[in-house]
Amino acid sequence: DTGVSQDPRHKITKRGQNVTFRCDPISEHNRLYWYRQTLGQGPEFLTYFQNEAQLEKSRLLSDRFSAERPKGSFSTLEIQRTEQGDSAMYLCASSLDGYEQYFGPGTRLTVT
Amino acid sequence: AQSVTQLGSHVSVSEGALVLLRCNYSSSVPPYLFWYVQYPNQGLQLLLKYTSAATLVKGINGFEAEFKKSETSFHLTKPSAHMSDAAEYFCAVSDGGYQKVTFGTGTKLQVIP
Repeated sequence: DTGVSQDPRHKITKRGQNVTFRCDPISEHNRLYWYRQTLGQGPEFLTYFQNEAQLEKSRLLSDRFSAERPKGSFSTLEIQRTEQGDSAMYLCASSLDGYEQYFGPGTRLTVT
Repeated sequence: AQSVTQLGSHVSVSEGALVLLRCNYSSSVPPYLFWYVQYPNQGLQLLLKYTSAATLVKGINGFEAEFKKSETSFHLTKPSAHMSDAAEYFCAVSDGGYQKVTFGTGTKLQVIP
C-alpha cells in the first residue's frame, strides 16, 4: 500500500494559463474524490468518481474545471484560464467502501 | 443538507493536559462522523470515525470521540496532550450515500511545553 499520490506537489502559474494535476489512488480503491482547500478553511468537495464514472460535481466546479478518470485508475483535474481565486490546495482522496477516505498530500496551486 | 460547526479555531493546551476539541453537526439523516488531522503542508489523516455502531469511538494516537445524538455533538478528546499532537483537526460529516464528506473549518491545536 503506497498510499494516494499527487503530482505536482506545488504549481505556480500565471493568470490565464491552464494547469493539470494528477492523482494516483490506492490501487484497489474504486472511489476517487477531489477537494479544494483554501487558507483557514476545511476541504470543500469538488467531484466524485466511482470507477471511471463521474457521479457528482459541486457547484464550485465551474466550466473552467474538468476532471477525468480514464479506465478507473488515476485521475486528472484540469483548470483552464486560471484566476487568482483558484489559488488553493487541491486534495485527492480514494476509498474502497466510501466510509474511509485516504487523502493524498495535495497539490498547492499559486496563481500570480 | 449536512454541516459541521467546530467551536474554536484555535485551542491551546499544556503538555500533559486534557485535549477537548468541540464539534456539532447537522444532518437530515443518521450521520457518519469523522475526525481528521492535518499537519502543515500535508494531506488529511483519519483519526477516527463513527458509523452508527458504538457511540464512544476510539481512534489512533490515543484520541477518542463520543457521539451524542441529543446534543448533536461529536467532540474529540485525548487525556494527555503530547507535543506531537500540535496540528489542525477537522470534524466532518457524511450522509452515508456515496460518502461525500462535508468538513468543518478546522481547529488548530497548540501544545505548550
